[in-house]
Amino acid sequence: AQSVTQLDSHVSVSEGTPVLLRCNYSSSYSPSLFWYVQHPNKGLQLLLKYTSAATLVKGINGFEAEFKKSETSFHLTKPSAHMSDAAEYFCVVSPVGYGQNFVFGPGTRLSVLP
Amino acid sequence: GAVVSQHPSRVICKSGTSVKIECRSLDFQATTMFWYRQFPKQSLMLMATSNEGSKATYEQGVEKDKFLINHASLTLSTLTVTSAHPEDSSFYICSAAPSGKYNEQFFGPGTRLTVL
Repeated sequence: AQSVTQLDSHVSVSEGTPVLLRCNYSSSYSPSLFWYVQHPNKGLQLLLKYTSAATLVKGINGFEAEFKKSETSFHLTKPSAHMSDAAEYFCVVSPVGYGQNFVFGPGTRLSVLP
Repeated sequence: GAVVSQHPSRVICKSGTSVKIECRSLDFQATTMFWYRQFPKQSLMLMATSNEGSKATYEQGVEKDKFLINHASLTLSTLTVTSAHPEDSSFYICSAAPSGKYNEQFFGPGTRLTVL
């Protein structure tokens, strides 16, 4: 079975400071891991994904995440927050394989203060 | 590429009526489509998995007679909320998995359903 924990329901940072959104997962199989962003009343946008290649994954808008198998973590980071980064972020796990379901974490709301 | 559309984006209906939501993959074929439900300030919960040409697989606790899913072609899946009630009000999001691809889902923009 797969599950995802996002340790912080809300993170608040000042504009220009680093962002860290934490994600831990549990999976019976080698997982694929994803980060999605959702702006209010909008659909989901893929930020980045890990699929058993390089453990440090670079995504869009300056975000990156590192897969650490020993810690079962896939934390999302960005060196410098921008006001437009304020949104809901979801960590997702899926076992490797065709057509497998995505399991969503509870989400972390990122606020960016001026 | 890999665009998924949903229609309508927003719908308001009276209690007891049925509402149909369409999910289309615009530039790829999708053997499998997924329907999610999202309550305010909560995460996405998978409702059902829809495979082209066969019956949908519903998650535990989701009433299949309440939420009718049809996946008649490789680019279209529909979700019909039958006899809608206020507690069905939610944000419904579909996703499509490209045929022959592994671990990829592309999400639609969502449909906001409000039942009065």
